[in-house]
Amino acid sequence: NAGVMQNPRHLVRRRGQEARLRCSPMKGHSHVYWYRQLPEEGLKFMVYLQKENIIDESGMPKERFSAEFPKEGPSILRIQQVVRGDSAAYFCASSPPSSGSTDTQYFGPGTRLTVL
Amino acid sequence: AQKITQTQPGMFVQEKEAVTLDCTYDTSDPSYGLFWYKQPSSGEMIFLIYQGSYDQQNATEGRYSLNFQKARKSANLVISASQLGDSAMYFCAMREGIIVQGAQKLVFGQGTRLTINP
Repeated sequence: NAGVMQNPRHLVRRRGQEARLRCSPMKGHSHVYWYRQLPEEGLKFMVYLQKENIIDESGMPKERFSAEFPKEGPSILRIQQVVRGDSAAYFCASSPPSSGSTDTQYFGPGTRLTVL
Repeated sequence: AQKITQTQPGMFVQEKEAVTLDCTYDTSDPSYGLFWYKQPSSGEMIFLIYQGSYDQQNATEGRYSLNFQKARKSANLVISASQLGDSAMYFCAMREGIIVQGAQKLVFGQGTRLTINP
């Protein structure tokens, strides 16, 4: 059973370009989360999605950032007009439909975004 | 106020010794879950162990156990018989609230960098 897949693993963009990060959840998982990790810090929640719905986007910056999880295909985190401060590791996690007690989130390997 | 506090930025332990990584949390919600993740130098986040606020017993998973002291709001991770491969960053995280439609967001601490010496 494949784990959470993220691509690309590394992404380099120049200031002003767009960054698209993809996440395919584990098989059977319908909940996707995006987190951002700055160097030497813990992960910070950005957005929680289910198929075709954004459930909680309280951690998303108001501008330039958007996320989607279409009916078919991976979840996409999109950053428009990137700036140097967007350089970070972006992690996707997934969890199954509520199964009771644990609902553990399983993480992908992350995408390291570098903005030049 | 910090929701999750990990007071040890770094720890150095001799191989085969047991190690305790501290984590305290702050919540007024009676229903919550506590998680520990390991992040090796390769960067991925590996789930280790989970403790629910209503669980009567401390969670255990192989060499990992969680010392859950609810009154003190602490959820320390104990690793027994440490190995060189345990060297990594360790993050404590909390999920608050009742699960309605699947798990909710996790709040992470700043992490503890554990180094196991041979």
